[in-house]
Amino acid sequence: KNEVEQSPQNLTAQEGEFITINCSYSVGISALHWLQQHPGGGIVSLFMLSSGKKKHGRLIATINIQEKHSSLHITASHPRDSAVYICAVRPRNRDDKIIFGKGTRLHILP
Amino acid sequence: KAGVTQTPRYLIKTRGQQVTLSCSPISGHRSVSWYQQTPGQGLQFLFEYFSETQRNKGNFPGRFSGRQFSNSRSEMNVSTLELGDSALYLCASRGGWGSPNYEQYFGPGTRLTVT
Repeated sequence: KNEVEQSPQNLTAQEGEFITINCSYSVGISALHWLQQHPGGGIVSLFMLSSGKKKHGRLIATINIQEKHSSLHITASHPRDSAVYICAVRPRNRDDKIIFGKGTRLHILP
Repeated sequence: KAGVTQTPRYLIKTRGQQVTLSCSPISGHRSVSWYQQTPGQGLQFLFEYFSETQRNKGNFPGRFSGRQFSNSRSEMNVSTLELGDSALYLCASRGGWGSPNYEQYFGPGTRLTVT
């Protein structure tokens, strides 16, 4: 079983829809990252969370440490949001080696 | 502030050759991490350097090595290349070691193709 599980693996939605991507993990963590990777490979760090909720523009990230779960929400989705979204966790007790989820491929149709 | 830069951006090598990739972190950042991304395995941690010392190493064979210089620039080397080493190699920098709250900033990656 992967230590970081993302769902769904693939998601296609219409422009304007509210998007939710989920991440569950099985280890105790010190921080969780949400990353965005566009075609061509470049990765952008969207959020780093250790508790609660963060908002940046149309993006919202939440984390529940007790349930070992995080969600990334996109409001009023747009075709330019089409990308792979990757959840990554930094375990608390493993010398700081970051563990990545497999990613969620999001495609927003105009 | 300039971002993380990686050179070269694209590289084609043949089996058996060796390759060196370079990463320049954000100015002031002393920690550099390397990651390999393949379609089958996704993103995997290779190693992390802080102040010229390797702090962590992922589960990769000894053909993969790295180093960090006094100016925090880092290189990774892969010797005796195999077809399976074809991947996107990403470098990320962050400000401090030991604190989970320093955010990582990723470079654009080097796409290595081994033929």
